[in-house]
Amino acid sequence: GAGVSQTPSNKVTEKGKYVELRCDPISGHTALYWYRQSLGQGPEFLIYFQGTGAADDSGLPNDRFFAVRPEGSVSTLKIQRTERGDSAVYLCASSGPGTSGGNEQFFGPGTRLTVL
Amino acid sequence: AQSVTQLDSQVPVFEEAPVELRCNYSSSVSVYLFWYVQYPNQGLQLLLKYLSGSTLVKGINGFEAEFNKSQTSFHLRKPSVHISDTAEYFCAVSNFKAAGNKLTFGGGTRVLVKP
Repeated sequence: GAGVSQTPSNKVTEKGKYVELRCDPISGHTALYWYRQSLGQGPEFLIYFQGTGAADDSGLPNDRFFAVRPEGSVSTLKIQRTERGDSAVYLCASSGPGTSGGNEQFFGPGTRLTVL
Repeated sequence: AQSVTQLDSQVPVFEEAPVELRCNYSSSVSVYLFWYVQYPNQGLQLLLKYLSGSTLVKGINGFEAEFNKSQTSFHLRKPSVHISDTAEYFCAVSNFKAAGNKLTFGGGTRVLVKP
C-alpha cells in the first residue's frame, strides 16, 4: 500500500513569508508526528496528533509554528513569518492503530524548506 | 526527559568487514529503543526495535543490536557490510509509559562502505 507522502518535496521561500507543509499518512493510522531535521543532526520532535487533536505539541519552537489535522487524516504544518533558522527538512510519520509506545513510526520522504 | 548520544559521527568501513555503531541513552524512565536507517535521498526506515524480552534484537538486512540496561547502551552491529549499507543510521528512544510514541533521536552516524 501507499506510504506516508509529503508535499511539496522542496519549498524555497523568502524570510518573512508564510508556508504550509502537507502530510498524508498511511490510511488507518491514527497517530501522526512532525519532526524537524536540521543539517547534520538527528530529527527533533515537533508535535504529535492522536486523531484530530494535538496530544503533545511540546516540541514546537515558538508560536510561529502551528499544525492541524482537522479530519484525523491529512495534516498541515504552518509556519508564519519564516526565518532563515527555519531552514530544515520537515519529516512526517504515522503509526497505529492504537497508542502503544512500541508502534513503529513510518516516515515520509520529508519536505526540504529553504528560507532565503 | 531523555537524550541519546551516538558516539561516532562517521564510520568508514571496508566492504565485507564488520561494523559496530555505538548508542548510549539517558532517561529517568524505562524506554523503548529503535534504530532507523536513512539511505541517500530517502526517508527513515526502521531497522529494528527493542521493547522487552531478549536483549539481542535482530533486524532487517542482517543487522542486530544488543540492549544493555546497566550501561544504558543499544549498540548496532553487522558482521559483514555491503556497499549498499552506505547510509546514515539513527538511534532513538521513546518513553515506555507515555501516551503516544514521540521519538528522541541521536545525532546520527554516517557509514561509508568502501570497496
